[in-house]
Amino acid sequence: DTAVSQTPKYLVTQMGNDKSIKCEQNLGHDTMYWYKQDSKKFLKIMFSYNNKELIINETVPNRFSPKSPDKAHLNLHINSLELGDSAVYFCASSQGGRGGQPQHFGDGTRLSIL
Amino acid sequence: QKEVEQDPGPLSVPEGAIVSLNCTYSNSAFQYFMWYRQYSRKGPELLMYTYSSGNKEDGRFTAQVDKSSKYISLFIRDSQPSDSATYLCAMSDSDTDKLIFGTGTRLQVFP
Repeated sequence: DTAVSQTPKYLVTQMGNDKSIKCEQNLGHDTMYWYKQDSKKFLKIMFSYNNKELIINETVPNRFSPKSPDKAHLNLHINSLELGDSAVYFCASSQGGRGGQPQHFGDGTRLSIL
Repeated sequence: QKEVEQDPGPLSVPEGAIVSLNCTYSNSAFQYFMWYRQYSRKGPELLMYTYSSGNKEDGRFTAQVDKSSKYISLFIRDSQPSDSATYLCAMSDSDTDKLIFGTGTRLQVFP
């Protein structure tokens, strides 16, 4: 059973399009995250949600909008895609709360903008 | 200057070697330290988790934290080709669950 699953695994699309990535976790965790990993493997947090409430919102263009319908799901919608959005997007989950909770990652969505 | 610095490698070693991977950081508030392993086209998986200073051992892996020097290490004994991956350090303070990652070190273990 996959603990954190993301769909789709690959996404190839044209500049200017709108796309969504979905994430689901079956670990019973309270907190979910979106990360962006660039071509140099640098992993940077974008958002976190705890029990459907937005907790972390890093400096990310407002073309990126997360949505959490319930605590097991966190989706990421991206409007007006740009070349610089090409990256691997990872979803993660943890027990949440304070103090460096270990996070469990999905296998990523590879987004390529043509 | 990044909050967490990590040598990107690649580090290439023969099978059976002892590998040392390191990170330095600037934020003295960091209390929780982790090492993640990331295979190609996969997500990071948690390898080691330590709180504050000290050592932790798990099989062939040992994590060390020296808070006075703001320096953490991961040692891999008897390295195997299956250890070939990118190793990411990550850390956080006690106020949030936000993890700050290093840029990762790519390790290649050849037979």
